[in-house]
Amino acid sequence: EVQLVESGGGLVQPGGSLRLSCAASGFTFSTYGMNWVRQAPGKGLEWVSGIGGSGGNRYYADSVKGRFTISRDNSKNILYLQMNNLRAEDTAIYYCAKASRGGYSGYDLYYFDYWGQGTLVTVSS
Amino acid sequence: TVMTQSPATLSVSPGERVTLSCRASQIISSDLAWYQQKPGQAPRLLIYGASTRATGIPARFSGSGSGTEFTLTISSLQSEDFAVYYCQQYNSWPPLTFGGGTKVEIK
Repeated sequence: EVQLVESGGGLVQPGGSLRLSCAASGFTFSTYGMNWVRQAPGKGLEWVSGIGGSGGNRYYADSVKGRFTISRDNSKNILYLQMNNLRAEDTAIYYCAKASRGGYSGYDLYYFDYWGQGTLVTVSS
Repeated sequence: TVMTQSPATLSVSPGERVTLSCRASQIISSDLAWYQQKPGQAPRLLIYGASTRATGIPARFSGSGSGTEFTLTISSLQSEDFAVYYCQQYNSWPPLTFGGGTKVEIK
């Protein structure tokens, strides 16, 4: 059974940093692109960042480029999102999501067949 | 690619047929997925490839369209179907883009 479990959310002041983690199980982690999608309170879904199976290809939304860094540890089956210089508008539930196909860079960002339960990040003074 | 969903809210009675629309700002072939999200839950994949139901999705859900115009149809709305529905394109990225969502509420 595929499982994605996020952790690391919390309350942080503007300008602060936070690292999110997503522990994956139930599939061959290194084969699939992994992504972060966020949802501000009462709002829709916004794709944030994605990474290829090997970790070589990384992609970012313009709203987070230069502030967030996505990475993965395929030996531990963990996806990360390092978030620096956080702003109030980064307040959201952050979901990790698995690309539905793998083994090819063209599937790094695809549709998502599994999502974690989300972790809440609140940026406020 | 900007994804636009309509309407924003749909008030429906159980048993009714529901049609949700999603429009892409440029041609995306059939690279479109639909998700359902209930309050306090993560999104769940319903449809991919514009018309293929994901594993375990009931047959009352169907998707159609290609190019720039897409629809999600629920043939007979059940109580568990009241939720927010999002479309997402995966043809041209980055970025991946989602529509703003359609909330299906009880009339």
